Amino acid sequence: AIQMTQSPSSLSASVGDRVTISCRASQDIRNELGWYQQKPGKAPNLLIYSTSSLQSGVPSRFSGSGSDTDFTLTISSLQPEDFATYYCLHDANYPLSFGGGTKVEI
Amino acid sequence: EVQLLESGGGLVQPGGSLRLSCVTSGFIFSSSAMGWVRQAPGKGLEWVSTVEGSGATKYADSVKGRFTISRDKSKSMLYLQMDSLRAEDTALYYCARWITDTGFDYWGQGSLVTVSS
Repeated sequence: AIQMTQSPSSLSASVGDRVTISCRASQDIRNELGWYQQKPGKAPNLLIYSTSSLQSGVPSRFSGSGSDTDFTLTISSLQPEDFATYYCLHDANYPLSFGGGTKVEI
Repeated sequence: EVQLLESGGGLVQPGGSLRLSCVTSGFIFSSSAMGWVRQAPGKGLEWVSTVEGSGATKYADSVKGRFTISRDKSKSMLYLQMDSLRAEDTALYYCARWITDTGFDYWGQGSLVTVSS
């Protein structure tokens, strides 16, 4: 099974900061990776799919990049509503697996 | 408007069974892939199971042989039959719509399952 490793597990940032979150796959997953945002007490929300495609309705300050085993989620200018936990998910094959999450705090 | 609503969670003893349901609306359920994702208290997300549009079913190793995903196309309902429950199955269980090459694009609000004596 493919393992997904996210880093860092948490980070502190300020409004307006550029934030990057990394996700590494244990084997080549091509571009089959998505990113989800989860706020406390809420269901996750899909932000990015296929590494770099922005889900409908998601602000353009969110972007994704990478390929094969190394992927990055970037928030270009952090907004107050972006403080949340972010997860990557690979869908290259079954079993699907999420990264451990990155909590973005003030 | 796409809506998903889970039900059926609760407190169950180790070794017991529980069936979760997810009622859906606002999209063509019969041709859609659906899945279950869980989150233990204070922990991260874990994929549990998916039923593809074709009807093929997939499971995480941690639940294989104990959980069964199914659907009733006539009622636009998704189910998760959970047998031989363990303490480590305690979690909030989300149902979500799966789109190939996209991901889980719509989620319910979750149903809490607690396995404890």
